Amino acid sequence: IAGITQAPTSQILAAGRRMTLRCTQDMRHNAMYWYRQDLGLGLRLIHYSNTAGTTGKGEVPDGYSVSRANTDDFPLTLASAVPSQTSVYFCASSRQSEDTQYFGPGTRLTVL
Amino acid sequence: GQNIDQPTEMTATEGAIVQINCTYQTSGFNGLFWYQQHAGEAPTFLSYNVLDGLEEKGRFSSFLSRSKGYSYLLLKELQMKDSASYLCAVRDSNYQLIWGAGTKLIIKP
Repeated sequence: IAGITQAPTSQILAAGRRMTLRCTQDMRHNAMYWYRQDLGLGLRLIHYSNTAGTTGKGEVPDGYSVSRANTDDFPLTLASAVPSQTSVYFCASSRQSEDTQYFGPGTRLTVL
Repeated sequence: GQNIDQPTEMTATEGAIVQINCTYQTSGFNGLFWYQQHAGEAPTFLSYNVLDGLEEKGRFSSFLSRSKGYSYLLLKELQMKDSASYLCAVRDSNYQLIWGAGTKLIIKP
C-alpha cells in the first residue's frame, strides 16, 4: 500500500441498505477526513478524526457514522442509504489537523 | 456564513498564461490551499499560502491578500495536461477546510 486506498471504487446500492466505505492509509497520519463531492458544489466535510480514538462531525454528518479504532483505518457507514447520498466520497488524511490533506482515489456511490 | 467564490469555467490556449481567482469570506483564516483535480480523479495538492504575497513553484504560482480576502492561481506555459478543475480551499478558525466549487480549466491547442 502506498498512500491512501479506498474501497469499493464504485457501488450501486438500493435505498434502505447499510453500506460501509473503507479507507486505509499507510503514512501514519494522525488526522483523517471524509468528504462528499457533488456536481456544482465544493467538497463538503462529513466527519473527521484528529487522532485515533476520536471523531468529530463536519458540515453534513446526518445519515453517516464513522469510527477510528486505529491510526490506519477510518470507515464511513451509511446506516440506511437514501438517494440524496448518491455522490463521490473522498477520504483524506494529514499528518496533523493543521497540515496539508492528501486524498484517496474516491468511491462513486449510487443509491437507487 | 462561510463562502468561497471562484469562476465556474475558464478557457485558455496552450502555451499561454491563465489566472484563476478565488475570493473568500470565512470565520477565521489559517491558510489557503489550491488543489488540482482531473476528471474522475482525486484532488492533488498544488500550493499553500498563509502570508500575503506570491508563492512560486515551477509553472504555478499562488498569490494571497488576506486584507482583501483574495487569492489567485497563476499557470504559465499552459500544457494540455493542465486541463482540470482547480479547487480553492480556506482553513477556518476550527482548522476545517472550506472548499470552493472549483474552476474547470479548458486548454485549447
